[in-house]
Amino acid sequence: EAQVTQNPRYLITVTGKKLTVTCSQNMNHEYMSWYRQDPGLGLRQIYYSMNVEVTDKGDVPEGYKVSRKEKRNFPLILESPSPNQTSLYFCASSSRLYEQYFGPGTRLTVT
Amino acid sequence: GENVEQHPSTLSVQEGDSAVIKCTYSDSASNYFPWYKQELGKRPQLIIDIRSNVGEKKDQRIAVTLNKTAKHFSLHITETQPEDSAVYFCAASRWDSNYQLIWGAGTKLIIKP
Repeated sequence: EAQVTQNPRYLITVTGKKLTVTCSQNMNHEYMSWYRQDPGLGLRQIYYSMNVEVTDKGDVPEGYKVSRKEKRNFPLILESPSPNQTSLYFCASSSRLYEQYFGPGTRLTVT
Repeated sequence: GENVEQHPSTLSVQEGDSAVIKCTYSDSASNYFPWYKQELGKRPQLIIDIRSNVGEKKDQRIAVTLNKTAKHFSLHITETQPEDSAVYFCAASRWDSNYQLIWGAGTKLIIKP
């Protein structure tokens, strides 16, 4: 089954404790992206990757890191999380100008 | 840079009536326009898309129209049902944009029984 998976689905952590949210897709897509979704603000892109070892900043990259060492995986790293990073995070993947498939989302709370 | 404006932000319609959501884009080179539906607590999912060589596309109760001259495209839902209640996002992209979608801010559609 074609899918995008994210882990964990829910995470409560404390300020400053490094965390990683994993994202994996099994569709051999070149493109992967991370979004955050906050009430009333829609989908805001954090980082994206056009292929292995190719990443670029989106609209709100501050406080986040990514890596793309393998085509199927695109982890999101928060090295020192802060309360303003409390949000719902979505990973997505696609081929050029085709449907973006979203993961189930990760709800992160930073206290 | 490219910008996509989406209106209205909230739309409330009576069950059975039609709903129309409109998006305006700024980059005249945009050539791909998808619509995503996000039900409460779920992930966004593509419901329909249109490319710039087509003016209208239909899929059962939903349709999308594109006016390239005016740079706007619209989502039409006919005979609305309770399961149409969701947030709808439009987006725009261009063939040389490295897969990037520029997203609208979303429209919350409420279907009143």
